[in-house]
Parts: sequence; structure tokens; C-alpha cells
Amino acid sequence: QKEVEQDPGPLSVPEGAIVSLNCTYSNSAFQYFMWYRQYSRKGPELLMYTYSSGNKEDGRFTAQVDKSSKYISLFIRDSQPSDSATYLCAMKTQGGSEKLVFGKGTKLTVNP
Amino acid sequence: DAGVIQSPRHEVTEMGQEVTLRCKPISGHDYLFWYRQTMMRGLELLIYFNNNVPIDDSGMPEDRFSAKMPNASFSTLKIQPSEPRDSAVYFCASSWQGGVYGYTFGSGTRLTVV
Repeated sequence: QKEVEQDPGPLSVPEGAIVSLNCTYSNSAFQYFMWYRQYSRKGPELLMYTYSSGNKEDGRFTAQVDKSSKYISLFIRDSQPSDSATYLCAMKTQGGSEKLVFGKGTKLTVNP
Repeated sequence: DAGVIQSPRHEVTEMGQEVTLRCKPISGHDYLFWYRQTMMRGLELLIYFNNNVPIDDSGMPEDRFSAKMPNASFSTLKIQPSEPRDSAVYFCASSWQGGVYGYTFGSGTRLTVV
């Protein structure tokens, strides 16, 4: 079983839709959870990070972590064509290695 | 701030040749990471440095790969000899205080070995 699983999609939605992106993980030692956005032929850029469980909101983006289910989500409200990109989840344990473990990414297209 | 700077952006080389990828991290960042991205395997950590010292190189595929960080503002990833299966996008990233607040990635080097 891979440490982090993410549905690769692709996911295609109309402009204005609510988008839900998800990852599951197997390592219960993960404490830091992040979402990165990667545009085509660019490097990943950090979108949101969360420590431990709970929700975090930033504008149209909401990140949720459910450690009991080993499941994290990213919600995008009022999606825009500029949100079209690949979204990668990433996780890290507390202490020890500084390595981020990434999901493979979900490709999202928002159609005008 | 210019961000993490990688060069070259694209590299096409013949099998058996030596390839050197370069990275300039963000000034003040004390961690530097080298990742490789492929469609099949996604983003994989190759090696990371803390204060110019290699900490974890368990992701380096084999002895053909080597990485150095001679000072706080420069790192190289070398592949010698290169093979077609090394074709991928190689990213350098840097951070302050490890990965707690995430990394800043460069734009990557797209390597094609023919």
C-alpha cells in the first residue's frame, strides 16, 4: 500500500462549481498536511498547510483533515478557469525526517 | 526575491553522457531538496541537505546519481552515465525550518535521455 493515495482524475467541472479533492494515507505519524497547485510545465506552489486535524479556510479554498479516517480534502468554491491545474497533497511526520511525501496529483479543468 | 532558480530548463542528452543540474535556493533557507517527477511515480525525494550537509540520500536511485552542496547558495545533481529511464522533470526546492511550512519549488529541469 502506498503511503499516500490520490485519485489522478482527470476532473472536469463548469465554472462556478464546488470542487472536492481528496487524499488518503496510511502512515498515522503524519502530522503536517499540505496542498500544492502545479500549473503545466511549472513547479508546484504551496496552496495551504494544516497541522494535525481540523479545517482551515483561505478565501475560496478550504482544507480539511480527518486523522481518524486518515483522509484529507481540499474544497474550492466558485471555481474559476484559472484554477485549472494539477493539485497535489503532501504530508510530513513531526520530528525526524523533513521529507514531504506527495500524492500523484489530481488534474482539474474548470470550463468557462 | 527571485525564488528557487534551476538551470538548465531543458536538457536533451545521449545515453551514457554526464548530466549536471544546478540549483540556487532562496537566500536564508537552510534546507534544500531534490525531487524527481514522472507520470508513473509522481514526485519522489532523491536527497535533501540541511545547512549544506546531506541528511537523507536514501531516494537516490543508484550510484550513477550524486549531489553536492558546496555552499548555502548552490547545489548540483549529477547523473553519470545517463540512461533513458532517467528522463523526468527534476525539481529543486528549498525551505526554512524543514518541511513544516512546506517548500518553495523551482521551475524544474526537464531531462530527456535518448
